[in-house]
Amino acid sequence: AQRVTQPEKLLSVFKGAPVELKCNYSYSGSPELFWYVQYSRQRLQLLLRHISRESIKGFTADLNKGETSFHLKKPFAQEEDSAMYYCALIQRATNKLIFGTGTLLAVQP
Amino acid sequence: DAEITQSPRHKITETGRQVTLACHQTWNHNNMFWYRQDLGHGLRLIHYSYGVQDTNKGEVSDGYSVSRSNTEDLPLTLESAASSQTSVYFCASSGADTQYFGPGTRLTVL
Repeated sequence: AQRVTQPEKLLSVFKGAPVELKCNYSYSGSPELFWYVQYSRQRLQLLLRHISRESIKGFTADLNKGETSFHLKKPFAQEEDSAMYYCALIQRATNKLIFGTGTLLAVQP
Repeated sequence: DAEITQSPRHKITETGRQVTLACHQTWNHNNMFWYRQDLGHGLRLIHYSYGVQDTNKGEVSDGYSVSRSNTEDLPLTLESAASSQTSVYFCASSGADTQYFGPGTRLTVL
């Protein structure tokens, strides 16, 4: 079955601390993975995609096919990073996104 | 600039009433999607469409319907609203890359 798992519902860190939001996936085929971010009461926004290998707002994510993971990392958290983060996998044959259940990141001052 | 909009942004209705949520995109995307967002469940796909006159059921389609009469719009209808349909609804559209989301509609069914 194709699935995205985000094991943490809530991750609370202090400002300046490193952040790692976990994402594991199950997919038969070559996966394409994304991280979306949703700030309080706003729409989901694409944060980054693995094929771009980019860094957005200081966040990076590396696809590890051996561990079937796509963890989101940032070396120094900022208060404005507080948001809900969703990991998602796209089924290219259908263009459907499969979402994880999300992790709420709370950055304390 | 191209965008995707939803209306209304907030809606309160009563059990048993029919409700329609609008979604309009100016990206000229063929693919459009409706999700509901609930705590502990993330986003779940309700219905989706790959083009005019095409509609497909997602994983939580019971009690919902959509129609696609043009490229820009994919209205979502709750035939007879139930309290279990209280949620935040997001519409999305996509071209060749990934999906772009509307601002959401917060629906409360009393």
